Amino acid sequence: GIQVEQSPPDLILQEGANSTLRCNFSDSVNNLQWFHQNPWGQLINLFYIPSGTKQNGRLSATTVATERYSLLYISSSQTTDSGVYFCAVEWGGSNYKLTFGKGTLLTVNP
Amino acid sequence: SQTIHQWPATLVQPVGSPLSLECTVEGTSNPNLYWYRQAAGRGLQLLFYSVGIGQISSEVPQNLSASRPQDRQFILSSKKLLLSDSGFYLCAWKKQWSSYEQYFGPGTRLTVT
Repeated sequence: GIQVEQSPPDLILQEGANSTLRCNFSDSVNNLQWFHQNPWGQLINLFYIPSGTKQNGRLSATTVATERYSLLYISSSQTTDSGVYFCAVEWGGSNYKLTFGKGTLLTVNP
Repeated sequence: SQTIHQWPATLVQPVGSPLSLECTVEGTSNPNLYWYRQAAGRGLQLLFYSVGIGQISSEVPQNLSASRPQDRQFILSSKKLLLSDSGFYLCAWKKQWSSYEQYFGPGTRLTVT
């Protein structure tokens, strides 16, 4: 199966700082999603981005499918951005199943 | 718009007791449905998925089972819970046969004592 690696595993920021989270995957993918898991456990869809660049407010994401990685950018971070960020991919042999990375735990301090 | 519901939100059960978790989706028809578990720590593990009524595929051998009695209803069950079954259980859906987004429910936090 496909391997999904996220880095860094943990990240601590001061409010207002910018950050970049990375997701590497070992095979071609049909779908790539970024999620934010809030303190209550809810998985919030951030981006559906199998290729290209998207932006939503202070967040943006870029996937370079040919080089098998995706980046999530968070600008002007706020305490409410704290939580775990997951990258998940759907690859050709997966029959529409997602494989998740282990996540990046982001802590934003006031 | 589509919504996904899970209940109960939290559950504390003794070892050896049965389990039934329910997931329902509104606002769509014939979705793909999924059960994931998140143990202590972060990783999400796919347990079961279904592409139609009565069609269940298992990803991990365990003492859990899943059923899909109706198009938009997905049930996770166990006859006898183990301590290792504790965790956070998430149901998800997506449009069938398409590479679109998966959407997750609010989850059920299960503690087996």
